[in-house]
Order: sequence, then C-alpha cells, then structure tokens
Amino acid sequence: NAGVTQTPKFQVLKTGQSMTLQCAQDMNHEYMSWYRQDPGMGLRLIHYSVGAGITDQGEVPNGYNVSRSTTEDFPLRLLSAAPSQTSVYFCASINPGAYEQYFGPGTRLTVT
Amino acid sequence: GENVEQHPSTLSVQEGDSAVIKCTYSDSASNYFPWYKQELGKRPQLIIDIRSNVGEKKDQRIAVTLNKTAKHFSLHITETQPEDSAVYFCAPSNDYKLSFGAGTTVTVRA
Repeated sequence: NAGVTQTPKFQVLKTGQSMTLQCAQDMNHEYMSWYRQDPGMGLRLIHYSVGAGITDQGEVPNGYNVSRSTTEDFPLRLLSAAPSQTSVYFCASINPGAYEQYFGPGTRLTVT
Repeated sequence: GENVEQHPSTLSVQEGDSAVIKCTYSDSASNYFPWYKQELGKRPQLIIDIRSNVGEKKDQRIAVTLNKTAKHFSLHITETQPEDSAVYFCAPSNDYKLSFGAGTTVTVRA
C-alpha cells in the first residue's frame, strides 16, 4: 500500500492563480480531510469528507473548494491564490473504526 | 469550535530525564485524544492515543493520561533520548475532526 499520497510536493503560485492539490489513498478509507499548517503553528482543518459525494467545511474553509467523486481521491482547489494561503498542506485519511488518521507527506505552497 | 491550549510551548530536558506536556481542551464532546510528533519538514506522526473511556495508556517510554472531568490530558516521556527532540502536538477530536494545539518544542540535551 502506498498509503496517502499528495502531489505536488512543492508549488509556487502568483496571486490570483488557481490550482488543485491532489490527494489519494489506497486504504479504502471513507473519511478524508485537508489541513493547513502555518509556520510555528498546529494544523487547522480546512475541509473534510465522510464518503464519496459528501463534503463539509472545517475551521478555515474560505478560499478553498473540495469534491469527492471517488473513495480514493480528495482534491483541494485554490480558487484565487492569496499570499495568506502560503502554508504546508496535509491530507489525511481515517478508518472510522480505528480513529487513527494517516497523513500524507504534505505540499509546501508559496503564493507571491 | 474547540479551544486547545498546550503547555509549555518549549521544553528543554537533560538526556535521561522525564518530559511532561499538558493539553487543555474545551469541547466536552471530545472522545479521542492523540499526541503527534513532528520532525522538521515531515508529516505529523501519531505516537500515542487514548479514548474517552480510558484514563491512562502506556507504550514503552511514552504514556498519556486523561482527566475528562477537568478536560485535560498529558503526554509523559521517560528516559528521554536525543531522538525525542521534535515538536509535539495534542489534537483532541470530536467526530474524527482533529483540533491541534500550537505545539511544544522539546529539546533533549546530551
């Protein structure tokens, strides 16, 4: 199993550009989530999904969209990038019966 | 939303000594209490967790204690080693949504 994978690892955007961060898992987990981590801080929940076709907002959803068309994939879209979105983004999946969340390696995004 | 506070924010210990980090949370519905270790540039790694129906759990040199009445839980590391140097986060959870504390930077001095 590859676990949770994220692409790209690094990305630089200009203000106003849009892009999609990819996240995939091969563990057949229903629950997936996106977090961002700013320097010197803990992770904050952006959006989450409890299964294909079902998504909901977390603590800091503004400026981001998500969709969940398959169990495996949970992409995060930045609609119009802003410098405040410079951060490291982590995707995670969870097997609800076990509680433990499996984190991907992260995407480091810089918006200039 | 959940209000999570972690103390101390930094901790320096002599190798072989113990380290304790305390996490206070606000949501009485929280039912899962993990601790994560994060090394520079890496993803958070779960090191120990506890569920709301258990008061204490131990795994070798690491232990977690939970006081649900007072809404706090603590991470205990004994016989610290240089490889324990990292940032540690508590992340109490309700309905699988983790709420991270700000982190504690632990430095183990040789």
